[in-house]
Amino acid sequence: GESVGLHLPTLSVQEGDNSIINCAYSNSASDYFIWYKQESGKGPQFIIDIRSNMDKRQGQRVTVLLNKTVKHLSLQIAATQPGDSAVYFCADLGGGTSYGKLTFGQGTILTVHP
Amino acid sequence: GAGVSQTPSNKVTEKGKYVELRCDPISGHTALYWYRQSLGQGPEFLIYFQGTGAADDSGLPNDRFFAVRPEGSVSTLKIQRTERGDSAVYLCASSLRGGPQETQYFGPGTRLLVL
Repeated sequence: GESVGLHLPTLSVQEGDNSIINCAYSNSASDYFIWYKQESGKGPQFIIDIRSNMDKRQGQRVTVLLNKTVKHLSLQIAATQPGDSAVYFCADLGGGTSYGKLTFGQGTILTVHP
Repeated sequence: GAGVSQTPSNKVTEKGKYVELRCDPISGHTALYWYRQSLGQGPEFLIYFQGTGAADDSGLPNDRFFAVRPEGSVSTLKIQRTERGDSAVYLCASSLRGGPQETQYFGPGTRLLVL
C-alpha cells in the first residue's frame, strides 16, 4: 500500500504462511528489477531478479512476478520463516544507458511470528 | 575478499567537519556504486564508477560531496563542511562489469552522524 514519510508498509505473518510483498514502479523504460532484503544494521542483500522480457521467475522459496502493463512487481515467499523478518525493497534499473542507477521503492517491513 | 567492505562502520562528526568514507568492492568487480539511505527510506543513488572514472554522478546532492576511485578498486566518498542533514547510512555496492541488467552487491554501510 501507500506510505508517507517514515511509515513503511508492514506485513505480519505466522511462521509457515506464504507472504506476498508488492511494489509499484514508475519508469516504463525500466528493464531490470531486483528484490533486496535488508536486516537491521546491514546492507541490502540480493534475493532475486527478473528481466523485463519475463513475467515470472522462481528461486528457492521465492517467486517474483512482473506485470509491465500496470508497472507492478511482487515477491512471494513460501513457508515464511522467522529469519525472513526484515525490510524488503524492490529496485528497478532504467533502460538505455542508466546502467548504474538503481531506483528503490520505499520498502515493506515483514514480521514473521513463530 | 568475500564481499563488499566499508570502513568505518560508524562515524560521528561535528557540523562543519570533513569526512571520508571508504569502500572496498568485491575483487574483480569493475563497477562501483555509492548510495545514501536515510532512516525509513530506500537507498538513493549518488554516483557510479566504471573503472577509475565516474560514469554517472547525477545523484550527488551538491558540491560538498565528491568521490574518487584512483586505481579502479577502492573508492572514497568525501563530504566537506558536513551538515546535520548529511546524517544517514552510506552504502557502497559493486558489480562485475557495470553493464545493463547486472546485479549490484551491497556492503554493510557506514552510519554517519553529524552533530
